[in-house]
Amino acid sequence: GAGVSQSPSNKVTEKGKDVELRCDPISGHTALYWYRQSLGQGLEFLIYFQGNSAPDKSGLPSDRFSAERTGGSVSTLTIQRTQQEDSAVYLCASSSLRTANTEAFFGQGTRLTVV
Amino acid sequence: AQSVAQPEDQVNVAEGNPLTVKCTYSVSGNPYLFWYVQYPNRGLQFLLKYITGDNLVKGSYGFEAEFNKSQTSFHLKKPSALVSDSALYFCAVGGSARQLTFGSGTQLTVLP
Repeated sequence: GAGVSQSPSNKVTEKGKDVELRCDPISGHTALYWYRQSLGQGLEFLIYFQGNSAPDKSGLPSDRFSAERTGGSVSTLTIQRTQQEDSAVYLCASSSLRTANTEAFFGQGTRLTVV
Repeated sequence: AQSVAQPEDQVNVAEGNPLTVKCTYSVSGNPYLFWYVQYPNRGLQFLLKYITGDNLVKGSYGFEAEFNKSQTSFHLKKPSALVSDSALYFCAVGGSARQLTFGSGTQLTVLP
């Protein structure tokens, strides 16, 4: 596609339920990032995928959070047993090269509200 | 560990005046520095980056940024602000850690 696509754009879920957030990166981009943006806060790094390398999961806040990237393309971020503090905008980004000097392109984000 | 600091949560400037949004960083090795802008209800958009070369980097919408190695800073500047520049601005650094680390953001308001 022309840009990074995320779905759903909005998700309201009950506390304790599991949610899945999807990211379609720009075709051919090998690097994929997930970030979380809470209201009035900066971007919090969650996880980074680069090609077939083991992902950098150092930013995942708890074991309720997991992510996978199938076939080096689409990624799914899963939050189990959601809690109210998980409410935030979840942003996905992709970039084209294997080095950190290439800008990332962001999707519009998924706004998650846990009630 | 790499980090970015944006010391100002809010910057207000009158239209037509120059603007500066501050950013300092900490990273091991050579830094890769970025500025992104986020308009209301929209995703982040890339503005400019410093990788190597000239310390003054020019980017989109008339913005520029100056890399200062001794002060570990990468301040965003524009000679003449527009009301349409009002948005949330993020500085980011990449380095030995492959992922980008973002600052907390600075809300720029340009007053007519």
